[in-house]
Amino acid sequence: SQTIHQWPATLVQPVGSPLSLECTVEGTSNPNLYWYRQAAGRGLQLLFYSVGIGQISSEVPQNLSASRPQDRQFILSSKKLLLSDSGFYLCAWSVKGALGDTQYFGPGTRLTVL
Amino acid sequence: QKEVEQDPGPLSVPEGAIVSLNCTYSNSAFQYFMWYRQYSRKGPELLMYTYSSGNKEDGRFTAQVDKSSKYISLFIRDSQPSDSATYLCAMSPPQAGTALIFGKGTTLSVSS
Repeated sequence: SQTIHQWPATLVQPVGSPLSLECTVEGTSNPNLYWYRQAAGRGLQLLFYSVGIGQISSEVPQNLSASRPQDRQFILSSKKLLLSDSGFYLCAWSVKGALGDTQYFGPGTRLTVL
Repeated sequence: QKEVEQDPGPLSVPEGAIVSLNCTYSNSAFQYFMWYRQYSRKGPELLMYTYSSGNKEDGRFTAQVDKSSKYISLFIRDSQPSDSATYLCAMSPPQAGTALIFGKGTTLSVSS
């Protein structure tokens, strides 16, 4: 069966510090991968998605970046965090080529920027 | 007009009640419809998946799609306190590899 991991679970960082969140998927090959941010009252915001190694599409302009160094690894980064980067970050995967693109989410990382 | 509209609630019901959660959408190209359940401080989990119009039942849960009205519903029968969560609807256009469009979620509280 497929499993998706995210770490860390919670993170408190000062403004201006760097960020690295990691997501890995087990039990599947060549998945589509996604990063979302969920802020209170604002729903899920798609940040990045990837259809393969090194292939990243950005949905919104921001000071965040994403990378996919391996097939089942997706990393969210920032060089300098802003207060507005606080939120709940979710990684998700879907089967490539599957109609309907049902996505399966990880447990999330709660980021607080102070 | 937003692509997907979902009443955020909160919705509070007593245990045993029938709950109706709804979403409307504007894009008639949507063909795949999903409901996710998200407990507090957890990632969303897929609850129901439907294609095209009609009903789909899974235990106490029924997903209903009315494509002519661009309206989807999730019914929960005999609601339990463990159903207390945020419910998100999601939709996908027919092209593979297209990101889902999510509603903002409805927060449900079931009291015992």
